Amino acid sequence: KAGVTQTPRYLIKTRGQQVTLSCSPISGHRSVSWYQQTPGQGLQFLFEYFSETQRNKGNFPGRFSGRQFSNSRSEMNVSTLELGDSALYLCASSRDITTYNEQFFGPGTRLTVL
Amino acid sequence: GQQLNQSPQSMFIQEGEDVSMNCTSSSIFNTWLWYKQEPGEGPVLLIALYKAGELTSNGRLTAQFGITRKDSFLNISASIPSDVGIYFCAGRGGSEKLVFGKGTKLTVNP
Repeated sequence: KAGVTQTPRYLIKTRGQQVTLSCSPISGHRSVSWYQQTPGQGLQFLFEYFSETQRNKGNFPGRFSGRQFSNSRSEMNVSTLELGDSALYLCASSRDITTYNEQFFGPGTRLTVL
Repeated sequence: GQQLNQSPQSMFIQEGEDVSMNCTSSSIFNTWLWYKQEPGEGPVLLIALYKAGELTSNGRLTAQFGITRKDSFLNISASIPSDVGIYFCAGRGGSEKLVFGKGTKLTVNP
């Protein structure tokens, strides 16, 4: 069974640009969560999607947005990039809301903003 | 908001030694999770705890859900070089969001 896949694995952008990251959950998983990981702040929750609906949102500015498609694949978008957005962005999937605790993480997308 | 304090930040040990790390919360949690992350990979779930006082093992790893529901610890016995990585605790309280500790970086010298 394939794990969670994230594309691209590495990305370099400049300030002011926007970026879209993609996540494909494990087959059969319908819940997708996104996290930002930085050395200083650790892992911080961005948002969670289930059945194409955003169910939870972390404390990030509106420049961070996401969506989920009918096949459960999810994308997150960051507009007007800032230097502080440089981070590892992790996606995690779980079968459904009741198994939210048993999330499986992807390898992440390393975003560097210059 | 909820915060987790994970300690120690880093550990340098000799192969064969036992390791202990813990997390404390400013509020009550209903679930505690422990993850391990290796370079270039996402975190991998090691142990999940759902009841206060629960003690669960996964091979050489043992974790406990504190009685106060505000803390948890992870022990690794007889460490080996492949135990190297960053260990994270995570907890969930009243909201459905998972809150993560900042990690304990473990280095094992052969």
